Amino acid sequence: GIQVEQSPPDLILQEGANSTLRCNFSDSVNNLQWFHQNPWGQLINLFYIPSGTKQNGRLSATTVATERYSLLYISSSQTTDSGVYFCAAASGNTPLVFGKGTRLSVIA
Amino acid sequence: GAGVSQSPRYKVTKRGQDVALRCDPISGHVSLYWYRQALGQGPEFLTYFNYEAQQDKSGLPNDRFSAERPEGSISTLTIQRTEQRDSAMYRCASSLLGAGVNGYTFGSGTRLTVV
Repeated sequence: GIQVEQSPPDLILQEGANSTLRCNFSDSVNNLQWFHQNPWGQLINLFYIPSGTKQNGRLSATTVATERYSLLYISSSQTTDSGVYFCAAASGNTPLVFGKGTRLSVIA
Repeated sequence: GAGVSQSPRYKVTKRGQDVALRCDPISGHVSLYWYRQALGQGPEFLTYFNYEAQQDKSGLPNDRFSAERPEGSISTLTIQRTEQRDSAMYRCASSLLGAGVNGYTFGSGTRLTVV
């Protein structure tokens, strides 16, 4: 099945800094999503982005399907951005496979 | 409903007891998925349904785990004879149609602790 790798595994930012999280996947995909797991354990869907670029406020994501990677950009980070960011991908008609996540800590 | 609803939110059970976890998907969503997440790890697939039909149960760890969705809406994940290693967050998600082509929406999860 598809393999999903995320980097970096951990990231510490000063409030206001920008960051880029990366997701590599091993096969062509027809579904790719970014999720944020907040400190209360809720898994929030950020982007459904099997290809192209999307933006939502301070967050944006780009997936280059032909090169099998996706990037999540966080600008002007805030303490509320802390948590774990997961990338998940699927190919064909198979369920999403999750990466191990990037644990982000934003300090004031 | 407006979102995916899971119950109970927390469950503590004694080793050897059976537990049933419930998931109520977004109204009209055809596909429903169960995942399990251990502490510090990403969610791992267990099983999924299209309507009432179980499409893939390859992620169920052993025959103590089963799931059903008899009317194509609410689903129940049952764990028989629970063991301590079953302790985890159990997450349910739904999507409009199809495992690979729509965004998933997750519920808040059920945190299961087996003592």
